[in-house]
Amino acid sequence: GDSVTQMEGPVTLSEEAFLTINCTYTATGYPSLFWYVQYPGEGLQLLLKATKADDKGSNKGFEATYRKETTSFHLEKGSVQVSDSAVYFCALGGSQGNLIFGKGTKLSVKP
Amino acid sequence: EAQVTQNPRYLITVTGKKLTVTCSQNMNHEYMSWYRQDPGLGLRQIYYSMNVEVTDKGDVPEGYKVSRKEKRNFPLILESPSPNQTSLYFCASSLRSGSDEQFFGPGTRLTVL
Repeated sequence: GDSVTQMEGPVTLSEEAFLTINCTYTATGYPSLFWYVQYPGEGLQLLLKATKADDKGSNKGFEATYRKETTSFHLEKGSVQVSDSAVYFCALGGSQGNLIFGKGTKLSVKP
Repeated sequence: EAQVTQNPRYLITVTGKKLTVTCSQNMNHEYMSWYRQDPGLGLRQIYYSMNVEVTDKGDVPEGYKVSRKEKRNFPLILESPSPNQTSLYFCASSLRSGSDEQFFGPGTRLTVL
């Protein structure tokens, strides 16, 4: 069945460091791919998405490219800030008409 | 403001005492869903609804009930809560399908003693 695997955390970085959070998926067809972010004490909110191969989603300095050949959707940011500390979830639009989430990666950014 | 609201935000209860967590959205979305979030397990879907009077089980439906009598509301009912239902619960909605972008409520932290 459809599934998402993302790197385990926690990830701790210093401010202005480069961030990569790996995400790979297994799915039939060509699902939409998403990154959601959960700030402390809040619900999830959409960070970015891509709906077809080679699409690049971007928002707030974060980027992710839909790579069909490697079934990946890695999240990157060139220079993280303390305010980026959160839990990040990779997700795909499943063939059953649902969202399938990875287990989440907690990011802590130190000043 | 477009939003999903949940109430209560925090609840401490005892085993066996029936409770309802309400969820409401003001975006005229057809699809609504309940998730629970537990450490190390990510988000798991409990129930979802494709439209009014249409509900279906997600991955972890045991011990829960839902109803969808109106488009905007999707309450989660625990008829006889048990300690293993202690969790953080999220309601979400999307325009048509669960594979569209979903909008999440702020969460309800439930503790069952």
